[in-house]
Amino acid sequence: DGGITQSPKYLFRKEGQNVTLSCEQNLNHDAMYWYRQDPGQGLRLIYYSQIVNDFQKGDIAEGYSVSREKKESFPLTVTSAQKNPTAFYLCASTPGTGNTGELFFGEGSRLTVL
Amino acid sequence: GDSVTQMEGPVTLSEEACLTINCTYTATGYPSLFWYVQYPGEGLQLLLKATKADDKGSNKGFEATYRKETTSFHLEKGSVQVSDSAVYFCALKTGTASKLTFGTGTRLQVTL
Repeated sequence: DGGITQSPKYLFRKEGQNVTLSCEQNLNHDAMYWYRQDPGQGLRLIYYSQIVNDFQKGDIAEGYSVSREKKESFPLTVTSAQKNPTAFYLCASTPGTGNTGELFFGEGSRLTVL
Repeated sequence: GDSVTQMEGPVTLSEEACLTINCTYTATGYPSLFWYVQYPGEGLQLLLKATKADDKGSNKGFEATYRKETTSFHLEKGSVQVSDSAVYFCALKTGTASKLTFGTGTRLQVTL
């Protein structure tokens, strides 16, 4: 089955540690996205990438980093510089440059900082 | 900048009741409008969309009409089911950019 796989589903981190969230898609989509979801705030865009080896900052990129070395993979690193990292993180992809606006989402990763 | 405003939830309805979830937007240019749904423990999935004024998007008994004059895209369903219990997000996209702007989401709970 084609889809987007995020791992791990739940992750706990101590303050000061970096953590990397995985996102893999086998839909052959060109564009990939990372969103953060907080209660009462909806989804906010962290980073997105429309082609391999290229990515752009979203609205809340500070404290995060990404890479796009392969078309099917778009990992997100939450660094120690992110002041409030506890959240639900959603990865998404779309064919082409995303002009249709139809995003395909993974099931999410919930990060808790202890 | 672009923004989407949704009615606050939770919305609690009995099965077979009528549903309306309000959504209004502010955008430069002529946005495309979307409703996404998030079932418990899952990611979001596209429910319906409309790309120009007066278009009506529909899917699974839900519908929404793009009203440019009132900058609204309210989600409606004539008879909800327990399986419709989820969080519903209104979103917009302007221009050719691939970025979506989401509302805060409205939780719907349907009871027997």
